[in-house]
This record gives sequence, structure tokens and C-alpha cells, in this order.
Amino acid sequence: SAVISQKPSRDICQRGTSLTIQCQVDSQVTMMFWYRQQPGQSLTLIATANQGSEATYESGFVIDKFPISRPNLTFSTLTVSNMSPEDSSIYLCSVEAPGPLTGELFFGEGSRLTVL
Amino acid sequence: LAKTTQPISMDSYEGQEVNITCSHNNIATNDYITWYQQFPSQGPRFIIQGYKTKVTNEVASLFIPADRKSSTLSLPRVSLSDTAVYYCLVGANSGYSTLTFGKGTMLLVSP
Repeated sequence: SAVISQKPSRDICQRGTSLTIQCQVDSQVTMMFWYRQQPGQSLTLIATANQGSEATYESGFVIDKFPISRPNLTFSTLTVSNMSPEDSSIYLCSVEAPGPLTGELFFGEGSRLTVL
Repeated sequence: LAKTTQPISMDSYEGQEVNITCSHNNIATNDYITWYQQFPSQGPRFIIQGYKTKVTNEVASLFIPADRKSSTLSLPRVSLSDTAVYYCLVGANSGYSTLTFGKGTMLLVSP
């Protein structure tokens, strides 16, 4: 299994500002995933972060808006830049289970952002 | 990636067995079927995964027919704490899979 800690758990932000979300995993993992969950909606993958290379973004998400860092095998950050009320969501960090490949994902508790 | 279709919501009572069916008509040969559970204000939690026939663990059973175009998550004797959103995902079982979450099924268990 993997234990994931996210910071902050929630925040209220002003329009036009940026916020960085941190994700710490208790074991070394190759890939880390960032998801967004808008109110009452399902999860949407933002990007995949691989240590030592640039993140891979899904359609509709760009690096300028959601820059990601992956400095080592246990940590990643997601920045939500120039925020607008439409960015109010829960942002979730996820990793695949370490060890033999299972396709099982572990998720953090999420970071709930409210943009005013 | 195969698209999945689930009922938007289901209602049940404590002690009943709940079966949630997911359709995935375009499932690929190397795709696995995985179910997640999500409580409010929490990240999704893995429940069960299977490829064919039947898989059972301490939480649930997963039934997959021979054509694999659908699957059924079975929760035995649900309790109030099983009230959650249940997601069916289909994707390759690899270390670099990026599973797509559908809309999920909101299960409400009443006393």
C-alpha cells in the first residue's frame, strides 16, 4: 500500500492568485498522478508526473496553468496559477501501488480549493 | 480507453445485498476492470479488480461474464457506512496506466 499526504487540505483563495499543493508519498513511486474533481463531478486526470522529466498533460490542461514539479520519487507539487472561480475544485494526488504491477491507485485525501 | 456506463444512483437498506452493474462494451483484450469507492471529502479507495469470471475479497465480489462487456460489483449485507460513490474503471493493468473515471454510482443505504 501507499500512504499519501496532501497539503493544504483546504484553502480559500482570491481570484488571480496562485496556490501550490504538495503531495508526499511514504514510498518511492515511479509515477504520480494529479486529478481534479469539480463539485458533484467525477475525477478528471490533469497530468502524470514522472521523476526527472516534464509532466504529461491531458487534453484541456496546460503547463502554464498547472505547473507540476517532481523533484524526487516521493514528492510532487501542483500549482494552480492565476486562479478563477472555475478552478474551485478538489485536487487529488494519486500513485500506483508500489511493487508488482496491479493497476491499483492510491489517493490522497485531496485539497479543496475555493476561489472567490 | 473503454468507456463505462453505470446507473447514476441506487438505493438500498441495511442488510441487503447490492449489485451495481457497469457496461463496458468496448473493453480491450488487455483491459482489467477495477472498482473504487469514494466517501465525501475523501479520495477514492480501491475495492476490487478482475479480468474474467469471479473475484472475491473481504469487501466485495466482482462478476464478469465471458464476453466481458459488463461487470457487476456485489456488496453483501450493506451497512450505512457503505453509502458512497462507486466507480467502475476499465484499463490496462500496467504500471503506467491512466485509468479514466466515469460518472460513478451514488449508493444510498438507509436504515
